[in-house]
Amino acid sequence: GENVEQHPSTLSVQEGDSAVIKCTYSDSASNYFPWYKQELGKRPQLIIDIRSNVGEKKDQRIAVTLNKTAKHFSLHITETQPEDSAVYFCAAPQRSNDYKLSFGAGTTVTVRA
Amino acid sequence: ETGVTQSPTHLIKTRGQQVTLRCSSQSGHNTVSWYQQALGQGPQFIFQYYREEENGRGNFPPRFSGLQFPNYSSELNVNALELDDSALYLCASSQTGQGRETQYFGPGTRLLVL
Repeated sequence: GENVEQHPSTLSVQEGDSAVIKCTYSDSASNYFPWYKQELGKRPQLIIDIRSNVGEKKDQRIAVTLNKTAKHFSLHITETQPEDSAVYFCAAPQRSNDYKLSFGAGTTVTVRA
Repeated sequence: ETGVTQSPTHLIKTRGQQVTLRCSSQSGHNTVSWYQQALGQGPQFIFQYYREEENGRGNFPPRFSGLQFPNYSSELNVNALELDDSALYLCASSQTGQGRETQYFGPGTRLLVL
């Protein structure tokens, strides 16, 4: 099955600065990589996802990049705001062409005002 | 919000008891996946149901079982509860096929085993 490693485990940034979270995966055939944001006591919410046929995807202040050769993908949050404070999880399919997900351990992001 | 609902929101059980958790999928979705999220960890895949059959299973013992109904809602059953089963149980709804497999999570059921 897929093994997803996520770094860092915690990240503190000044409001307005950028935050970057990196994940690596083990199955080179994996083709779908979602990112979820989970606020305290709430459900994980999909914030962006990328498929293996593209290298980068943006949605306003959020972007995800994918390096298939190195088997890693990253979440970039620009111009961070206090409401970006949450736990962020990356995920990858457990097998190629499969959408049962293996999640990383999570990154706790704190945006300091 | 996603339209995925779960019940109950919270549950307290004792060791050895059995529990049933319920999930209603988002309209138009035919697949339900169940995850266990222990405190401070990422969700761990339990199993997935598609067309009323189990469609893949994670590393969980047989005392974790499930069902999917014709309306695509689903149940997770856990027998012989253990203290380590205390966790947030999440279901995720998706549509298998047509390239729309994105999973949307419900609010979860928080289970405490004493």
